Amino acid sequence: ELKVEQNPLFLSMQEGKNYTIYCNYSTTSDRLYWYRQDPGKSLESLFVLLSNGAVKQEGRLMASLDTKARLSTLHITAAVHDLSATYFCAVASGNAGNMLTFGGGTRLMVKP
Amino acid sequence: EAGVAQSPRYKIIEKRQSVAFWCNPISGHATLYWYQQILGQGPKLLIQFQNNGVVDDSQLPKDRFSAERLKGVDSTLKIQPAKLEDSAVYLCASSLRFMETQYFGPGTRLLVL
Repeated sequence: ELKVEQNPLFLSMQEGKNYTIYCNYSTTSDRLYWYRQDPGKSLESLFVLLSNGAVKQEGRLMASLDTKARLSTLHITAAVHDLSATYFCAVASGNAGNMLTFGGGTRLMVKP
Repeated sequence: EAGVAQSPRYKIIEKRQSVAFWCNPISGHATLYWYQQILGQGPKLLIQFQNNGVVDDSQLPKDRFSAERLKGVDSTLKIQPAKLEDSAVYLCASSLRFMETQYFGPGTRLLVL
C-alpha cells in the first residue's frame, strides 16, 4: 500500500522568509502532483512532476522530484501572506497509473 | 471553460438517513473521480470512472456507498444509510484522459448528526 507523508504538518513563517515542504512516498511512482487548498475551498493544481530530476517553478514556489529517493520538495521563496493555504502532494499509482494518494497536507501560515 | 460542478454544497442529515451528491465534470473529460476528505486530512479516492465504466472502486465502502455515471457525463454518489463517520467533504474531480491532471470541484460538505 502506497503511503505518502508530508512534513511539516503545520508551518508558521514570516513574510520574506524561505522554507521547504517535504513529501516522502513509499513505493515507486513517476508522477507527483502538488495542490493548494484555501480554507473552505477546493483543490487547485499547482505542479505536476513527471520524471526524476524534474523541477517546476511558478512565482515564489518551486517543486522538484527525486524518484530514487522517493522525495519531492516544495520550496517557498520570500513568502508573502497570499501564500497562506494548505499544500498537498499526491502520488500517482495503480495499474492505470492514475490513482492519486494524497499526503496529509501542510498548513502554511505566512504572517505579515 | 466551466469547472467541475457539484451540488448540493452543504448537507446536514441524521445518521441512518440517505443522501446523494451530484457532479458534472468539465466538458469532454472522460475520467471522473470521487474523493472523501475528512477534516484535517488529505482527500481519499473512493471511486474512479472512465466514461461510464468503473476503473477502480477498491476504497469504496460498498455496503453503504454507491456511485454511477450512466451516460458517461454526470455522476451521482449515494450513501445509504449514513453513519457519523461519513461526515466529510465529498470532492468530485475530472481529467481529460487517464494520467492527466485532475481538476476538482468545490465539494459537498456533509454533516451527519
